[in-house]
Amino acid sequence: NAGVTQTPKFQVLKTGQSMTLQCAQDMNHEYMSWYRQDPGMGLRLIHYSVGAGITDQGEVPNGYNVSRSTTEDFPLRLLSAAPSQTSVYFCASSYSILGSGNTIYFGEGSWLTVV
Amino acid sequence: AQSVTQPDIHITVSEGASLELRCNYSYGATPYLFWYVQSPGQGLQLLLKYFSGDTLVQGIKGFEAEFKRSQSSFNLRKPSVHWSDAAEYFCAMTGTGNQFYFGTGTSLTVIP
Repeated sequence: NAGVTQTPKFQVLKTGQSMTLQCAQDMNHEYMSWYRQDPGMGLRLIHYSVGAGITDQGEVPNGYNVSRSTTEDFPLRLLSAAPSQTSVYFCASSYSILGSGNTIYFGEGSWLTVV
Repeated sequence: AQSVTQPDIHITVSEGASLELRCNYSYGATPYLFWYVQSPGQGLQLLLKYFSGDTLVQGIKGFEAEFKRSQSSFNLRKPSVHWSDAAEYFCAMTGTGNQFYFGTGTSLTVIP
């Protein structure tokens, strides 16, 4: 089982550049999400999706876009990178957001530095 | 409002000593509760979860957690800590809605 796969693992961007963090899961999970992790702030939700074609904003959506054209993939796009977006990004998925199937599984993270 | 609080930012214990990491939640009903562990440079791994039933749940790596409704708590425990347990620990919950709520984490240092 591959689980949740994120790429790239490390990336350095210049301010103003754009890029896409890829996320794929092979567990047929309906719910997918992106978090950023910053020191002392835990995990903050950026965007999430409850199924193909459906996305919604989380706590810190500004500067990020997402789409969900398939059940498997949930890419995160940085439109114009800023130093404040230097962070570790985690993609996560679960079978469902509600009920007993809502255990969330995480990718291994993407370390992004914006200079 | 739904939220998770981990009061301890950092805890240091000696190897072989017992461990308790605190977690409190705010929610109007019984939530689903989780503990995750994150080793340096790694993603988050599920330790255990509580959905319903027995309030004492067993997890991987010898961890257990107890749900106490009266205290809105879900503390994580381990009887004897190993050096390999040094990591960041996150408590999380879901309730209604489409979000998981995470605490800010507790960093565990284990001294020999």
